[in-house]
Amino acid sequence: EVQLVESGGGLVQPGGSLRLSCAASGFTFSSSWMSWVRQAPGKGLEWVANIKPDGSENYYVDSVKGRFTISRDNAKNSLYLQMNSLRADDTAVYYCARDAFWGQGTLVTVSS
Amino acid sequence: DIQMTQSPSTLSASVGDRVTITCRASQSISSWLAWYQQKPGKAPKLLIYKASSLESGVPSRFSGSGSGTEFTLTISSLQPDDFATYYCQQHNAHFGQGTKLEIK
Repeated sequence: EVQLVESGGGLVQPGGSLRLSCAASGFTFSSSWMSWVRQAPGKGLEWVANIKPDGSENYYVDSVKGRFTISRDNAKNSLYLQMNSLRADDTAVYYCARDAFWGQGTLVTVSS
Repeated sequence: DIQMTQSPSTLSASVGDRVTITCRASQSISSWLAWYQQKPGKAPKLLIYKASSLESGVPSRFSGSGSGTEFTLTISSLQPDDFATYYCQQHNAHFGQGTKLEIK
């Protein structure tokens, strides 16, 4: 059974940092493009970043470029999102995703 | 960046109706388009990938078509479980703003 389990969300002050993790199982993680997608409260889905299977390429939505970094550890079947210089408009549920498979999401709240 | 634009934003329909949602890309994305259904408090569910391929387990009343810059999702006969929000997505990239399908 495919499972994606996110962790690391929480309350952080503006300007702060958080690192999200996603533990993957049930599929060949090292062969899969992986993405982070977020959804602000009451809003639509927003693609945040994705990363090539071997980690050699990654892409970001303009609003997070220079602040967020996506990475992976194929030996640990894990995906990460390092989020720096967080702003109030980064508040959202963050999902780890691979095509048909999504985690349950982890809530990031940026507030003073 | 490629922009994805869905229409309409809201759609009111009745059980048994045939409905169509449109998604336009700001430049050609070939057939690299997916459709998702999302219900409140839940993760999105993949319905269609590569513009017209039905994901395993998805009812055949859902169908997708199009290529290049214009795509459609059609539900042939609405069922009560279909009232939800639908999103198009350029594969592994930007989403449309969503279409909320409401009961008339």
